[in-house]
Amino acid sequence: QKEVEQNSGPLSVPEGAIASLNCTYSDRGSQSFFWYRQYSGKSPELIMSIYSNGDKEDGRFTAQLNKASQYVSLLIRDSQPSDSATYLCAVNEEDNFNKFYFGSGTKLNVKP
Amino acid sequence: EAQVTQNPRYLITVTGKKLTVTCSQNMNHEYMSWYRQDPGLGLRQIYYSMNVEVTDKGDVPEGYKVSRKEKRNFPLILESPSPNQTSLYLCASSSWRVTYEQYFGPGTRLTVT
Repeated sequence: QKEVEQNSGPLSVPEGAIASLNCTYSDRGSQSFFWYRQYSGKSPELIMSIYSNGDKEDGRFTAQLNKASQYVSLLIRDSQPSDSATYLCAVNEEDNFNKFYFGSGTKLNVKP
Repeated sequence: EAQVTQNPRYLITVTGKKLTVTCSQNMNHEYMSWYRQDPGLGLRQIYYSMNVEVTDKGDVPEGYKVSRKEKRNFPLILESPSPNQTSLYLCASSSWRVTYEQYFGPGTRLTVT
């Protein structure tokens, strides 16, 4: 059984700070990694995808991937109260790009 | 507007009464998937479809059926629902053209009594 692990939180950060969300995965051969944001009562929405080792930046968001350590993270700079949500990490299976595994999510609270 | 739609959004039913949850996408995506989301367990994949008439099991397929007769539609069927199938059901679509980034529907909240 493939596993994706996330700290459930809640992670509390003050407005304007950097929020760091972490995810580890068990399938060493996974190739695609995704971060989703889910507001309470809503469905997940894609924030970022990353496929290669290193950093990928998109606005205030930076995804970091380290395949050797089987670790992917999401940094949110200048955190805003509107960033308060649950962040889900998703990984696809090595031999099947259509099969995905999700972590249970980290709840982020950004305090004004 | 590009979107994934699901119906119904909310459903309360009784044990054993067959039901279908519909999912439709207008993005011409070849890939569609069903998930259930339960507190503390995250999203778990039920079934997925790579294209019309091509489906495969995810991690929790027991008690569910799917079919993909048209590219845009991927209904989820519960032949004999049980209380342990009470959950939030999410449909998603994707394409190799967008490197398998999944776009989710609004969800269907199902309660089986």
